[in-house]
Amino acid sequence: NAGVTQTPKFQVLKTGQSMTLQCAQDMNHNSMYWYRQDPGMGLRLIYYSASEGTTDKGEVPNGYNVSRLNKREFSLRLESAAPSQTSVYFCASTPTGLPSYNEQFFGPGTRLTVL
Amino acid sequence: AQSVAQPEDQVNVAEGNPLTVKCTYSVSGNPYLFWYVQYPNRGLQFLLKYITGDNLVKGSYGFEAEFNKSQTSFHLKKPSALVSDSALYFCAVRPLNYGQNFVFGPGTRLSVLP
Repeated sequence: NAGVTQTPKFQVLKTGQSMTLQCAQDMNHNSMYWYRQDPGMGLRLIYYSASEGTTDKGEVPNGYNVSRLNKREFSLRLESAAPSQTSVYFCASTPTGLPSYNEQFFGPGTRLTVL
Repeated sequence: AQSVAQPEDQVNVAEGNPLTVKCTYSVSGNPYLFWYVQYPNRGLQFLLKYITGDNLVKGSYGFEAEFNKSQTSFHLKKPSALVSDSALYFCAVRPLNYGQNFVFGPGTRLSVLP
């Protein structure tokens, strides 16, 4: 099993450009998440998908959109990138939805710089 | 508001000495508690979790954590630190009545000196 995979690993954008971050998991997990990691702030939840066909906003959703394409794939789109979106983005998944004590499985991350 | 605090940005210990990385939380109800580790340029890896029962939980790589309900703490410990333990450590909670969301602490950087 590859676990959780993310593409690309690195990306540099200019302000106003758009891009989509891809995430896929091969563990048959129901729930998937997108986080951003900024120094000293830990991980902040952008969007999550409890199951195929559903998505919900997290703590910091502004400027982002998501698509749960199927059970395996959960993409994050920046429609008009801003320097404040410079961050490391992590995708994660868990086996089930509420209630659950299952841990999350994380991808390797995408390092995004917006100039 | 749900929150997790890791009061130390950085912890330095000598190899072979015991280590403690502190975590306290403020959430309603009885949450599930987790520790993750992040090595440079990698994603987070699960170390251990507390669900219920014995307050001392054992996890991967010789780590353990002690849950203290009265102090709302979940400190990570290891009896003898290794240089290879140097990494960024995150405490996380999942409140039972907070939907899908995990709440992460800001992280503590552990440096184990040879």
